[in-house]
Amino acid sequence: GQQLNQSPQSMFIQEGEDVSMNCTSSSIFNTWLWYKQDPGEGPVLLIALYKAGELTSNGRLTAQFGITRKDSFLNISASIPSDVGIYFCAGQLMGNAGNNRKLIWGLGTSLAVNP
Amino acid sequence: GAVVSQHPSWVICKSGTSVKIECRSLDFQATTMFWYRQFPKQSLMLMATSNEGSKATYEQGVEKDKFLINHASLTLSTLTVTSAHPEDSSFYICSARDGGAGGRETQYFGPGTRLLVL
Repeated sequence: GQQLNQSPQSMFIQEGEDVSMNCTSSSIFNTWLWYKQDPGEGPVLLIALYKAGELTSNGRLTAQFGITRKDSFLNISASIPSDVGIYFCAGQLMGNAGNNRKLIWGLGTSLAVNP
Repeated sequence: GAVVSQHPSWVICKSGTSVKIECRSLDFQATTMFWYRQFPKQSLMLMATSNEGSKATYEQGVEKDKFLINHASLTLSTLTVTSAHPEDSSFYICSARDGGAGGRETQYFGPGTRLLVL
């Protein structure tokens, strides 16, 4: 099935550093969602974006909906050990109508933080 | 935020038995729920879209007679893995679509169900 290009695949950083990850696609999206998944758990919604150019923050997290509607990034500032996990981007394609509003997923960014 | 529960959180069963997994939206109504399967170190793979009061829509390659979905109410969808075999062992996760105001919809996920078929 269709997937988003998410990068980097993995990151290993020192506590206190900033982190940036992004997702791109050749298709146009009307919604971008960023999730974090801990081992053995379901994904938890971090930030939802609905408008081209929209910049939204959630504590130390900031995400933006790209102007072209084909990309999004997530930044984490001043990382802490509990930021460890896998971060997924997900998007809803423009034009998906009705009840079949399935999400297209990135492959995830695995983040490790060294205390 | 919206809460989605899943039950059971883990299940071990013998090959050939059927297993039912429940997904509930606890504080909102969801006309649409989704069932995913996730293999270790991989992304989520959509299995089917569950619509309240109608038949589920299955993704290509997913056997609808193997994975039975019922969405009988606005807060409950069930996935039944029929005649389970070891290759069905996996992490199954559901999500519920929250329509939101002004088209600002999103999906909230349950905590997942780990299935091990012996």
